[in-house]
Amino acid sequence: AQSVTQLDSHVSVSEGTPVLLRCNYSSSYSPSLFWYVQHPNKGLQLLLKYTSAATLVKGINGFEAEFKKSETSFHLTKPSAHMSDAAEYFCVVSRYGNKLVFGAGTILRVKS
Amino acid sequence: NAGVTQTPKFQVLKTGQSMTLQCAQDMNHEYMSWYRQDPGMGLRLIHYSVGAGITDQGEVPNGYNVSRSTTEDFPLRLLSAAPSQTSVYFCASSPSFIKAPSTYGYTFGSGTRLTVV
Repeated sequence: AQSVTQLDSHVSVSEGTPVLLRCNYSSSYSPSLFWYVQHPNKGLQLLLKYTSAATLVKGINGFEAEFKKSETSFHLTKPSAHMSDAAEYFCVVSRYGNKLVFGAGTILRVKS
Repeated sequence: NAGVTQTPKFQVLKTGQSMTLQCAQDMNHEYMSWYRQDPGMGLRLIHYSVGAGITDQGEVPNGYNVSRSTTEDFPLRLLSAAPSQTSVYFCASSPSFIKAPSTYGYTFGSGTRLTVV
């Protein structure tokens, strides 16, 4: 069975400093992995996805994630946080048949 | 381009009442699904459909019914609302069920915030 663990429920950074949101997954076969972002009172927006091609995946708004099979991790990073990055982020693994399994979410706070 | 449209955006129900959450997409997507979002639990799959006339249960189906009479619409029915169903509900669609999910993205609606008192 597939599952996702987001290691931090809340992360707080200062504007202009790096962002690291951690995600570990378990999967019985080669997974598809995604990061979604949800701004307050909004729907979910796809940031990036891992498609078993390049292990370093670049997404929108300067975010990227690296797939590390040996560590079963898919951490999300950004070199420099912006106030508009404050949101909740979800790491997601796909199961057979198009079903998504969501992590519990990480709330990112950006301090000015 | 509307994408996935959910109505209503907010709803308050009394325990025992019934209601239908609407979801419509105009992208001719084959796959549609309903999720509920609760604090600290991410999103959990309630029901999904792989095409008109075909539905199946997800992770947390109890207390909910769905139908898919057209490709465009996928309503979610609460038969007898309970406080445990207080949540934010999201509808999501994807072009294909058979092909790997990495091939296509998912389009999410903006959500329905439901409170059962």
